[in-house]
Amino acid sequence: AQTVTQSQPEMSVQEAETVTLSCTYDTSESDYYLFWYKQPPSRQMILVIRQEAYKQQNATENRFSVNFQKAAKSFSLKISDSQLGDAAMYFCAYRSASNYGGSQGNLIFGKGTKLSVKP
Amino acid sequence: NAGVTQTPKFRILKIGQSMTLQCTQDMNHNYMYWYRQDPGMGLKLIYYSVGAGITDKGEVPNGYNVSRSTTEDFPLRLELAAPSQTSVYFCASSYWAGGSSYEQYFGPGTRLTVT
Repeated sequence: AQTVTQSQPEMSVQEAETVTLSCTYDTSESDYYLFWYKQPPSRQMILVIRQEAYKQQNATENRFSVNFQKAAKSFSLKISDSQLGDAAMYFCAYRSASNYGGSQGNLIFGKGTKLSVKP
Repeated sequence: NAGVTQTPKFRILKIGQSMTLQCTQDMNHNYMYWYRQDPGMGLKLIYYSVGAGITDKGEVPNGYNVSRSTTEDFPLRLELAAPSQTSVYFCASSYWAGGSSYEQYFGPGTRLTVT
């Protein structure tokens, strides 16, 4: 079974600075997707960025980028120029690319990292 | 598009009561999911559906039931509520076809307390 581990329960960053959130995962599959979701106090789950395992190039979305190390099974999120609105819980998630054998596209989540942004 | 909608937003149940959490999506997605999020934890899959009339258990299905009579609706039924079911419940949907996977869209969640 696949697992996702986020080893940093809480992180803090100064406004305008850069912060990196860590995520490792375990899987025997070669084809899968990885995601970072943001959950603000409103509870809404917001997709921040996604990475296809078959792509070597790291995904980037504006101020958000990932460092995807497939061999090391590591998937960290870098937030540049941090803003007050970035304060939230961040969840790393894994999804199999297969829809067989019980893997029906459901997401497997880590426990999350609470990010605080200091003004 | 309203996306994924869930009702109610909040609910308090007494032990042993039953209730149905409603979930509707208007994106014509074939896949739908129910997750629960316990305090300080990530989301865990309760049930999922790959299309109308087809449902299956996820990681934590005990104490719940689902049905999928239409593409749009995927209600979650709690029978004989227990304090261990106190959680935030999220419904999600996605589209999957031809080997391509697409983003999951989440509803706003239902906060359920069982006392």
